[in-house]
Amino acid sequence: GAVVSQHPSRVICKSGTSVKIECRSLDFQATTMFWYRQFPKQSLMLMATSNEGSKATYEQGVEKDKFLINHASLTLSTLTVTSAHPEDSSFYICSAIGQPNTEAFFGQGTRLTVV
Amino acid sequence: AQSVAQPEDQVNVAEGNPLTVKCTYSVSGNPYLFWYVQYPNRGLQFLLKYITGDNLVKGSYGFEAEFNKSQTSFHLKKPSALVSDSALYFCAVSNNTNAGKSTFGDGTTLTVKP
Repeated sequence: GAVVSQHPSRVICKSGTSVKIECRSLDFQATTMFWYRQFPKQSLMLMATSNEGSKATYEQGVEKDKFLINHASLTLSTLTVTSAHPEDSSFYICSAIGQPNTEAFFGQGTRLTVV
Repeated sequence: AQSVAQPEDQVNVAEGNPLTVKCTYSVSGNPYLFWYVQYPNRGLQFLLKYITGDNLVKGSYGFEAEFNKSQTSFHLKKPSALVSDSALYFCAVSNNTNAGKSTFGDGTTLTVKP
């Protein structure tokens, strides 16, 4: 099956700093990538959808200036958490879908801890 | 809008007994249905999917699920549970017009006791 790699798997940063998470499709071209957030013992909530070469579409309630998404190539999307605060601590998961395809493939997730 | 309901937060079964984790969905168009498993501090592992074809879908680790269009359900089953099956299970739905944009259920914690 298709492989999606997410990096880093775990990151700790100080409040006020920014952190970048990468999502790569290793063996297919991802026309669309999705970013999810998961709080402890909760479900995955879609944050945004990014299409290669265009601006991301954010779900209601997600601050686009805080969670910057870039999808500059068909194999890479990045999520940058700007001016991180402890409440941004969470598990972030990306998924990617190519064409033609019927399902998205998930990365391993990134555990972000803001101290 | 699409949605998924997993009515049970927790399912407990004894090892060797059959298990069922329930899922119902609501979506426009043709449903694409998925089950994933998540172990603590890990990402999602794909178990199985229904896109089209046979209503009974067989997946990884002996799991299977049956698509029931009239009941809008996609329950996950396994004939004989293992202790190692203990984990958090998510049902997800998307559709043929927006494949990949999945909506997840709240998850069901499965505990298999020896």
